[in-house]
Amino acid sequence: NAGVTQTPKFQVLKTGQSMTLQCAQDMNHEYMSWYRQDPGMGLRLIHYSVGAGITDQGEVPNGYNVSRSTTEDFPLRLLSAAPSQTSVYFCASSAGPGFGQETQYFGPGTRLLVL
Amino acid sequence: RKEVEQDPGPFNVPEGATVAFNCTYSNSASQSFFWYRQDCRKEPKLLMSVYSSGNEDGRFTAQLNRASQYISLLIRDSKLSDSATYLCVVNIARAGGGNKLTFGTGTQLKVEL
Repeated sequence: NAGVTQTPKFQVLKTGQSMTLQCAQDMNHEYMSWYRQDPGMGLRLIHYSVGAGITDQGEVPNGYNVSRSTTEDFPLRLLSAAPSQTSVYFCASSAGPGFGQETQYFGPGTRLLVL
Repeated sequence: RKEVEQDPGPFNVPEGATVAFNCTYSNSASQSFFWYRQDCRKEPKLLMSVYSSGNEDGRFTAQLNRASQYISLLIRDSKLSDSATYLCVVNIARAGGGNKLTFGTGTQLKVEL
């Protein structure tokens, strides 16, 4: 199993550009999430999904969109990039809501720089 | 008060030492607790889960004190390879299903020769 994969690894954008960060998992996990990690701050939840066709906002959703058309894929779209979105983005999946299922399996991350 | 608080460190310890980190949480409804390890420029990976009073795995012991709302991580016989940032994570069940995980900012450990 590849686990959770993310592309691209690195990206430089200009202010106002849009892009999609790709995330895929091959563990048949129901739950998927997007986090951003900034210096001095814990991982913060952007959006999450509890199954195909179901998404919801996390702690810091503004400026981002998600969709979940399949169990495997959970892309994150930046609509109009801003310098404040410079960060490291991690996608994660977990098996479900129950005890023992909450373990987050993270992808390797995407480092995004917005100029 | 932050939901999950950790001392950022760094904790610099010699190889073979015992080191302990604490993590405090503010929500008494928190149900489960985790320690993740994150190496520099890598993704976090689960180190230990804590559902009751504690957990032990080899050189690593996690203890939960619900009354005082803190979780600790003890590392015995530190190895150079233990150098990393350790993230404390607290889970609260969402009303509509699923989990709300709150991550601490992490404690950096440097094990030296």
